[in-house]
Amino acid sequence: GAVVSQHPSRVICKSGTSVKIECRSLDFQATTMFWYRQFPKQSLMLMATSNEGSKATYEQGVEKDKFLINHASLTLSTLTVTSAHPEDSSFYICSARPSWAGQGDSNQPQHFGDGTRLSIL
Amino acid sequence: GQSLEQPSEVTAVEGAIVQINCTYQTSGFYGLSWYQQHDGGAPTFLSYNGLDGLEETGRFSSFLSRSDSYGYLLLQELQMKDSASYFCAVHNQGGKLIFGQGTELSVKP
Repeated sequence: GAVVSQHPSRVICKSGTSVKIECRSLDFQATTMFWYRQFPKQSLMLMATSNEGSKATYEQGVEKDKFLINHASLTLSTLTVTSAHPEDSSFYICSARPSWAGQGDSNQPQHFGDGTRLSIL
Repeated sequence: GQSLEQPSEVTAVEGAIVQINCTYQTSGFYGLSWYQQHDGGAPTFLSYNGLDGLEETGRFSSFLSRSDSYGYLLLQELQMKDSASYFCAVHNQGGKLIFGQGTELSVKP
């Protein structure tokens, strides 16, 4: 089945550090990938939509200069949390949508990575 | 605005049947999915409804009524390993998923 790999699974670093998280679709091409953030005991909140070959689309309230997204190929999207602070500590999860899925093909489930637990000291 | 409502927690015993309801109010609707998430893990896809009616997948079934903006997830023959958080999610334009707040299911022996 479709697999999405997310790396690293856990990061602990000092305040002010920039952290890069990778999301790869292993056996399918993904024109679109999504980045979510989840705080403890809360829901998954969509941060941004990553589009291969074009700029990411950010949800309201998400700072694009803080959360840099690059989708350089059909199988890789990266999220960089720049100058991370303790309030950025969270569980970051990516998902990928197959390239052949159109608007009407939303019955295809999104495939999620295993998530990255980010802890900023 | 967009909102999804589901109960925050449900408790049941092993072998029982549990129904988790989800009502939604969103701009744009392409279907309703259900995800399971264990502590510390990523969401796992359970079921999808694009049209009205019931979808059955083993012990799990999901129902959708688009006219009522309502769906539910039915879990039968509950097992201890079913203890987890369950999220309903509306499929929005461009493939975006809008998640509910999640229902924490506790299965007791």
